[in-house]
Amino acid sequence: DIQLTQSPSFLSASVGDRVTITCRASQGISSYLAWYQQKPGRAPKLLIYTASTLQSGVPSRFSGSGSGTEFTLTISGLQPEDFATYYCQHLSNYPWTFGQGTKVEIK
Amino acid sequence: QVQLVESGGGVVQPGRSLRLSCVVSGFTFTSYAMHWVRQAPGKGLEWVAVISYDGSNKYYADSVKGRFTISRDNSENTLYLQMNSLKAEDTALYYCARVDLKYGYYTGFDYWGQGTLVTVSS
Repeated sequence: DIQLTQSPSFLSASVGDRVTITCRASQGISSYLAWYQQKPGRAPKLLIYTASTLQSGVPSRFSGSGSGTEFTLTISGLQPEDFATYYCQHLSNYPWTFGQGTKVEIK
Repeated sequence: QVQLVESGGGVVQPGRSLRLSCVVSGFTFTSYAMHWVRQAPGKGLEWVAVISYDGSNKYYADSVKGRFTISRDNSENTLYLQMNSLKAEDTALYYCARVDLKYGYYTGFDYWGQGTLVTVSS
């Protein structure tokens, strides 16, 4: 099975900061990677798919990059509503595993 | 609008069974593969199972293989998860989710239900 490792697991940031979260895959997954945002008590929300495509309705301050084994999610200009937990997920072969999550909190 | 509504969760003793349902509306159910994803309290997301649009293909996480069965009734727009031989570690919020396909690529889970809580405890 493909393992996904996110770093950091936790980060503290201020409104307006540029934030980068990394997701590393245990083997190459081309661009079959998605990013989600989850707020407490809510279902996850799809942000990015195929590593860099912004899901409809998602603000352009979110961006994704990478291919193969290393991927990044960047939030350019953190907004109050962006404080949440972020997960990567590969969509290569089954099982479609998730990373362990990165919690973004207010500094 | 697209809606996915799970039901069937509850408190169950270890070793017993439970069947979850997910009724969908607002899209053509027969055109989409469907998944179950779970989240233990305070933990991350765990992919559980997938069923193809026509029910002909199914895949499971190793943690549930042989105990859980995913199925669907396309005439009723309903997805199911039959959970047998439940263990304490199956305690979680169970979500059903739709995966879209664009230009031949899976996009990820674009719609999720609100989840149904399963608690396995004696």
